[in-house]
Amino acid sequence: AIRITQSPSSLSASTGDRVTITCRASQGISSYLAWYQQKPGKAPKLLIYAASTLQSGVPSRFSGSGSGTDFTLTISCLQSEDFATYYCQQYYSYPPTFGQGTKVEIK
Amino acid sequence: QVQLQQWGAGLLKPSETLSLTCAVYGGSFSGYYWSWIRQPPGKGLEWIGEINHSGSTNYNPSLKSRVTISVDTSKNQFSLKLSSVTAADTAVYYCARKWDTIFGPRHYYYMDVWGKGTTVTVSS
Repeated sequence: AIRITQSPSSLSASTGDRVTITCRASQGISSYLAWYQQKPGKAPKLLIYAASTLQSGVPSRFSGSGSGTDFTLTISCLQSEDFATYYCQQYYSYPPTFGQGTKVEIK
Repeated sequence: QVQLQQWGAGLLKPSETLSLTCAVYGGSFSGYYWSWIRQPPGKGLEWIGEINHSGSTNYNPSLKSRVTISVDTSKNQFSLKLSSVTAADTAVYYCARKWDTIFGPRHYYYMDVWGKGTTVTVSS
């Protein structure tokens, strides 16, 4: 199975900050990567697919980039509702696998 | 607006079989793959498997020997069975729809609609 290493595992940031989260795949996955946001007690919510395509309804402060093995999720101006855990997921090959998550906390 | 409603037993003893069902409301059932994903307490997400309306399945090799996913197209429902559970199977279990977006020759897959999750605890 393809391993996805996500970093950092947690970070502290303030409202208005620019935040960057990274995922690295153990082998090339082209742009077959999605990003999800999960809040406590809730199901994950799709943010980005195909590495950089914003899901309908997701604020434009979220963006994704990368291809091959290295990918980035950026939140350009952190809002209070963005404090959550973020996961990346590859669907290049079976089984689909997730990164271990990045918890974004309030500084 | 597609919604997924899931249910099943929340407390099991070791060696029992976990059984969950997910119903699809408000949208098409055929033409998609329907997935199960789980999340142990305080941990990350693990994909369990998927099924389409025709009954074609894909399973995570790490669970394949114990997992059965089935479909009931007459009710727009799909189900998960996980046999011989242990404490390691304690988790929140989610059902989800796998969406397929086509960009040129490429198919991009992701889970775009999720159920609310069912907490399953395995304890003697």
